Amino acid sequence: SYEVTQTPSVSVAPGQTATITCGGHNIGGKSVHWYQQRPGQAPLLVVHDDSDRPSGIPERFSGSNSGNTATLTISRVEAGDEADYYCQVWDTDIDHLVFGGGTKLTVL
Amino acid sequence: QVHLVQSGPEVKHPGASVWVSCQTSGYTFTDYYIHWVRQAPGQGLEWLGWINPKTGRTHHALKLQDRVTISADTSLSAAYLELTSLTSDDTATYYCGRDGGRILGMTPYLDFWGQGNLVTVSS
Repeated sequence: SYEVTQTPSVSVAPGQTATITCGGHNIGGKSVHWYQQRPGQAPLLVVHDDSDRPSGIPERFSGSNSGNTATLTISRVEAGDEADYYCQVWDTDIDHLVFGGGTKLTVL
Repeated sequence: QVHLVQSGPEVKHPGASVWVSCQTSGYTFTDYYIHWVRQAPGQGLEWLGWINPKTGRTHHALKLQDRVTISADTSLSAAYLELTSLTSDDTATYYCGRDGGRILGMTPYLDFWGQGNLVTVSS
């Protein structure tokens, strides 16, 4: 089955840029979706299909995907961006959704 | 507005079964798949399965194949998850989510989520 891996934690100062990665074999050939989960809350979709933002998600959130790495970039990081971020792909062979282990973003 | 509202927290003994509901509103229920995802305390997200409410067809995670049942009531616009033979490893918050991707002919992703409900398995 397909697996994706994420760095467990990322720290960034307010106003700087946070880069969160999701690795997988030829993940560039898949569509990657990203979720933000604040403590005690349900996940929230922030990017779908590699780089599309749902309505209401700030332009500071952007995504890219190529080769073996997909990336979620958060520009001009704010304190409210502190959360866990999960990438998700679709394992077409077995029709399963696959989540990465999550990355905890800490805003210093 | 799209809403997914789940039932309340549950406490179950090992070996018991749990039934979790997901009441939807604000969209045509039969147009979108519903997925179930769980999250053990302090852990990541684990996909459990999906249902196509229009056809009733379901697909489950291989790990839980024999213990999980997903169903839907189109007259109520609600989806359900039943998990049997509970163990302490099933202690988690269970979420339902609407699949916003497939209806567009894209890969599945969850564009709206329920608030989650905690299922605790303890003797």
